[in-house]
Amino acid sequence: DAGVIQSPRHEVTEMGQEVTLRCKPISGHNSLFWYRQTMMRGLELLIYFNNNVPIDDSGMPEDRFSAKMPNASFSTLKIQPSEPRDSAVYFCASSLRASLGTDTQYFGPGTRLTVL
Amino acid sequence: GQQLNQSPQSMFIQEGEDVSMNCTSSSIFNTWLWYKQEPGEGPVLLIALYKAGELTSNGRLTAQFGITRKDSFLNISASIPSDVGIYFCAGQRGYGGATNKLIFGTGTLLAVQP
Repeated sequence: DAGVIQSPRHEVTEMGQEVTLRCKPISGHNSLFWYRQTMMRGLELLIYFNNNVPIDDSGMPEDRFSAKMPNASFSTLKIQPSEPRDSAVYFCASSLRASLGTDTQYFGPGTRLTVL
Repeated sequence: GQQLNQSPQSMFIQEGEDVSMNCTSSSIFNTWLWYKQEPGEGPVLLIALYKAGELTSNGRLTAQFGITRKDSFLNISASIPSDVGIYFCAGQRGYGGATNKLIFGTGTLLAVQP
């Protein structure tokens, strides 16, 4: 059973360029989360979706960041224009939101972004 | 963003030793989770706790959900070199909707010397 798939695994770009990160959640999961991990700030939730609808984007740093989930099997996180301070590892996670009990999140391998 | 207080920050131990780490919060959580992250990978779920006072084991790992719902601990018995990694606690306030967000701890780096 495939886990969460993220691409690319590594991205090196120059300041000002547009960056698009991709995520395929676990089949059947209905919640999807985008996180950013840095040494200084740890793991931060950027945005999450339930049934393809954005629920909470309060963690999105600024207008340069945007996320979409056009269908249940695909999501993108876009940064435009990118800045050096955006350098981090970006994780996508998915879960099966249940009416009772918790919905455990399963993480992808991450995309390591370096903005020069 | 908000983070849970996790301690210790790092541990350097000998193979075979037991390990204990904990996580505290100023607010209540309804679920506590423990994840392990290895270099170049995403966090992997180790144990999930759903009820206050719950004690759950997964092999050599044991975790407890604090009775006050504001803390949790993770124990690893008889550590081995492959236990190396960063361990994160995470709290979740509710079940679905706007409350299924995870709040992560600051992480505990574990190094095990053979």
